[in-house]
Amino acid sequence: DGGITQSPKYLFRKEGQNVTLSCEQNLNHDAMYWYRQDPGQGLRLIYYSQIVNDFQKGDIAEGYSVSREKKESFPLTVTSAQKNPTAFYLCASSGVAGGYNEQFFGPGTRLTVL
Amino acid sequence: GENVEQHPSTLSVQEGDSAVIKCTYSDSASNYFPWYKQELGKRPQLIIDIRSNVGEKKDQRIAVTLNKTAKHFSLHITETQPEDSAVYFCAATSGAGGTSYGKLTFGQGTILTVHP
Repeated sequence: DGGITQSPKYLFRKEGQNVTLSCEQNLNHDAMYWYRQDPGQGLRLIYYSQIVNDFQKGDIAEGYSVSREKKESFPLTVTSAQKNPTAFYLCASSGVAGGYNEQFFGPGTRLTVL
Repeated sequence: GENVEQHPSTLSVQEGDSAVIKCTYSDSASNYFPWYKQELGKRPQLIIDIRSNVGEKKDQRIAVTLNKTAKHFSLHITETQPEDSAVYFCAATSGAGGTSYGKLTFGQGTILTVHP
């Protein structure tokens, strides 16, 4: 299960606070992704990055921000503009471009808003 | 964009029976279809995948079939065991090509319960 790590495992946030979730990978993958998982809704893409210093919005980017300053790291900030942030957040990475996009997932961070 | 529909949302079987989960996709350009298994509180893990140039792939008790014309693909698990109980997700890749990784769009998931 090594290769992609996320921290913390559990995170509690007060309303109005920004929080940052960490994602690190040592697989030398170019692409990294953030997903949000809610019960009964599968995985929804928040942001993704295919190369350092570049990233694109996914399907539910509002209220989130990311950066990709290093190949190994893709932190996600959940801002106060995200109205319902309580969820399980999964980071993933992929290293094969051109069509076969096997993604490897981190262990996840469970965020709860108090 | 791509849309993936997955059915059923829950599936209950007896140990030793077969289980089938079906997905449909909308983007005819999608060319990679993985299946992930997620146990409670854990990360999704790839169990099998299929590429658009093949119609069927098997790995021991698990098989996946793809019908590109109808734009649907299915996961088949034979001789189910209690440890197969988990949530299963299908996905499809769109927008990939050249140096692009594309995006995975996931189905809503199927909760599989295998009763001893």
